[in-house]
Amino acid sequence: DTAVSQTPKYLVTQMGNDKSIKCEQNLGHDTMYWYKQDSKKFLKIMFSYNNKELIINETVPNRFSPKSPDKAHLNLHINSLELGDSAVYFCASSQARGLLRGYTFGSGTRLTVV
Amino acid sequence: AQSVSQHNHHVILSEAASLELGCNYSYGGTVNLFWYVQYPGQHLQLLLKYFSGDPLVKGIKGFEAEFIKSKFSFNLRKPSVQWSDTAEYFCAVKNDYKLSFGAGTTVTVRA
Repeated sequence: DTAVSQTPKYLVTQMGNDKSIKCEQNLGHDTMYWYKQDSKKFLKIMFSYNNKELIINETVPNRFSPKSPDKAHLNLHINSLELGDSAVYFCASSQARGLLRGYTFGSGTRLTVV
Repeated sequence: AQSVSQHNHHVILSEAASLELGCNYSYGGTVNLFWYVQYPGQHLQLLLKYFSGDPLVKGIKGFEAEFIKSKFSFNLRKPSVQWSDTAEYFCAVKNDYKLSFGAGTTVTVRA
């Protein structure tokens, strides 16, 4: 049973395209996150949803739009992809703001924009 | 704004050597502290965490970390590393909903 699953695992696409990455968690957590890991391995939070409500929206281009249809899903849609969007995107989830067990991360989606 | 600093960018050591990775944070309020490990090509896994109580925290795979409030530090240690400890290590600090990561330390263990 995969706790936090992301699809696709790899995504190669051309500049200017629109793409989506999906994330689902079966842990019953109430909060989900998107993190971006750049080529230097630096991890930066992008968005967070708690019970389908957006609670963290860091300085991210508005080409990036998260959507949470329910507590178990948080998808990331990216419009007009640029070369600089190439990175690994990690979805994560937590319960009670991560106070008890920390965060559980998905296996990542490696996005390559060519 | 809070920040997390990891002092070592890349650490190279031999098997059985001791490891200590430094982490400092710059937030004065109540924080929760974490160390995550990312093995090559894999996702982040929780090594250990500190919320309250005993400042010496023991985690998985023989790792431990010590929270020193006066120094705003949460250093990670392992007395004897193995080749399989080769990975990227991330310190993270959480307040409210936000988990902020340090830049990471690459640890390479030579057999």
